Amino acid sequence: EPEVTQTPSHQVTQMGQEVILRCVPISNHLYFYWYRQILGQKVEFLVSFYNNEISEKSEIFDDQFSVERPDGSNFTLKIRSTKLEDSAMYFCASIRTRDSNGYTFGSGTRLTVV
Amino acid sequence: AQKITQTQPGMFVQEKEAVTLDCTYDTSDQSYGLFWYKQPSSGEMIFLIYQGSYDEQNATEGRYSLNFQKARKSANLVISASQLGDSAMYFCAMRDELYNAGNMLTFGGGTRLMVKP
Repeated sequence: EPEVTQTPSHQVTQMGQEVILRCVPISNHLYFYWYRQILGQKVEFLVSFYNNEISEKSEIFDDQFSVERPDGSNFTLKIRSTKLEDSAMYFCASIRTRDSNGYTFGSGTRLTVV
Repeated sequence: AQKITQTQPGMFVQEKEAVTLDCTYDTSDQSYGLFWYKQPSSGEMIFLIYQGSYDEQNATEGRYSLNFQKARKSANLVISASQLGDSAMYFCAMRDELYNAGNMLTFGGGTRLMVKP
């Protein structure tokens, strides 16, 4: 079964530092997403990415966040200057086409900002 | 705007019994999709089942079925013959399926299911 791979699984960072979360979506998928889940809360949409550009973003996805697909396989989420409230589980997801039924999620990166 | 409500923060079920997890939604969209995901304690999100708003039959996938009542805007998940491995957090989610809409998922708050031996 193809997987979405996320690295690292855990990251601890100092407030104000930049972090990059990495994802390798399923190879023939065309739509990519980042979601976050603050501990004990619901999963929230951050951004969607298609055809090498952002297609949708939420209010959470402000200027501190950016996404990139630098080499055709990796899909990264960068947080420029982390805040305590950025502590959360970050999930990458992908689907083959926009009306595919099954979004495949990665196992997540737990980010802790101290 | 879409909204998903899961009113049961936690539920217990006896092993081998069936359980229904509630999900109601609010949307002005005519075409939408409804999803259920399972999140075990290890944290990953596992896709369980999908129902399109124009599907006339309720979706089924093995022990999972979706009780879709469009007029009531509900999409309850039914798990038959519960197993200990079903203990997890369950999330209902939806997406707008109009051609020019964003196809991201909107999630509910989740229900924690605990299966008793």
